[in-house]
Amino acid sequence: QKEVEQNSGPLSVPEGAIASLNCTYSDRGSQSFFWYRQYSGKSPELIMFIYSNGDKEDGRFTAQLNKASQYVSLLIRDSQPSDSATYLCAGSPTDSWGKFQFGAGTQVVVTP
Amino acid sequence: DGGITQSPKYLFRKEGQNVTLSCEQNLNHDAMYWYRQDPGQGLRLIYYSQIVNDFQKGDIAEGYSVSREKKESFPLTVTSAQKNPTAFYLCASRGTTNTGELFFGEGSRLTVL
Repeated sequence: QKEVEQNSGPLSVPEGAIASLNCTYSDRGSQSFFWYRQYSGKSPELIMFIYSNGDKEDGRFTAQLNKASQYVSLLIRDSQPSDSATYLCAGSPTDSWGKFQFGAGTQVVVTP
Repeated sequence: DGGITQSPKYLFRKEGQNVTLSCEQNLNHDAMYWYRQDPGQGLRLIYYSQIVNDFQKGDIAEGYSVSREKKESFPLTVTSAQKNPTAFYLCASRGTTNTGELFFGEGSRLTVL
């Protein structure tokens, strides 16, 4: 069983709509969670991080964390064609040196 | 500007050859990582290093080797023992701030001819 799981997609979203991405994890030792956006052929770039239960908003992005249910989600409001990318969910352990656990990523396609 | 520099961006290798991918960071980070990404797949950890002159195997270390002689540098050698080396290779570093996120280089794409 993979430690971090995501639906691979593609998730097709009309322009202006909300894209909802989900991620589940198995390692209860994971404390912080990160959402990275990766355009085709490029390296991942950080969009959001969250380490407390609840919601965290940054512009059009909202991350949600539920440690009891072991899931993390990302909402993208007012989706734009430039949001078309693969979104990677990652969890990190409590210590600073530990290994991140990455999901396989969800491909999002925003259609005009 | 602070960041991570990987070189070369594109590399072609003949079967049986060793190749070395360079990774240099000026972020003053102690921890550095090498990941491999195959089409449609997530990131898989090859090696990581917490401090100079020390490194640990990740999930797919076979056929790869690394060194960490300087804090700024973490080169990866893809040896001839790696049977399927064609992939996108990503170097990353991690600071010790509250967020502790990974910072990635631009990646190196290796193709075996």
